[in-house]
Amino acid sequence: GENVEQHPSTLSVQEGDSAVIKCTYSDSASNYFPWYKQELGKRPQLIIDIRSNVGEKKDQRIAVTLNKTAKHFSLHITETQPEDSAVYFCAAPREVTGGGNKLTFGTGTQLKVEL
Amino acid sequence: ETGVTQTPRHLVMGMTNKKSLKCEQHLGHNAMYWYKQSAKKPLELMFVYNFKEQTENNSVPSRFSPECPNSSHLFLHLHTLQPEDSALYLCASSQDRTGGTEAFFGQGTRLTVV
Repeated sequence: GENVEQHPSTLSVQEGDSAVIKCTYSDSASNYFPWYKQELGKRPQLIIDIRSNVGEKKDQRIAVTLNKTAKHFSLHITETQPEDSAVYFCAAPREVTGGGNKLTFGTGTQLKVEL
Repeated sequence: ETGVTQTPRHLVMGMTNKKSLKCEQHLGHNAMYWYKQSAKKPLELMFVYNFKEQTENNSVPSRFSPECPNSSHLFLHLHTLQPEDSALYLCASSQDRTGGTEAFFGQGTRLTVV
C-alpha cells in the first residue's frame, strides 16, 4: 500500500520568509497529490493539488513541485504571513478495489510564522 | 461550509455506552470516508464507502461499526470504547474518479471516552 512520509514535523519561520515542506510516497501508480491545511480546531481543507502530468503548479504565494522519478513532492509558501500558521498535510491516493480513493496522509507539519 | 456536516460536534461517553456519529454530505459525491485524528498521529483512514458499499476497512476494531444507508449519509456506531479511542473523528466525501480527487472534510466530532 501507499506509504507517505512528510518532513519536517515542525517548522518555524519569520514573517516574510519562505517555507518548504517535503513529502515522499511509495506507490508509483499514484498520480494525484493534494496538500491540506488544518487550522487549529478546524477541518483540513485543500489548498493546492497537482497531477502527475505536470511538474509544478502555482497559486499566488503557494506552489507545489512534483518529481515522479524520485517520488517526492513539495509545498512552497513564499512571503509567509501569520495566517499561514497551521498544520499542513500532504497526501497520495491509492485506488480502492470497488471504488473510492484511499487518501494516505503524511504525518503533518506544524508551521509557525513568527512576527 | 464545505457541504459535509457532522453531528455531534462533541461527545463524551463512558466505556459501556453506545453512541453513533453522523455524517451527511450535500455535494452529490459517491464516496465517503471515516478518518481518526489523534493528538500525536496523522489522519488515519478507517473506512471507505463507494456508492454506499464498503470498499475498505483499514483494520479497525469491531467496536467501531460503520453504516452507509445511502450515498449521502454515513454513520459510525460506537460501543464499548476504550479511553485511547478518544480523538477527533472526521468524515469526508469525494467524487470518485480515476486518479483521485479532492476530499471534503466535515468539521469532525471530538470524542472523549471516560
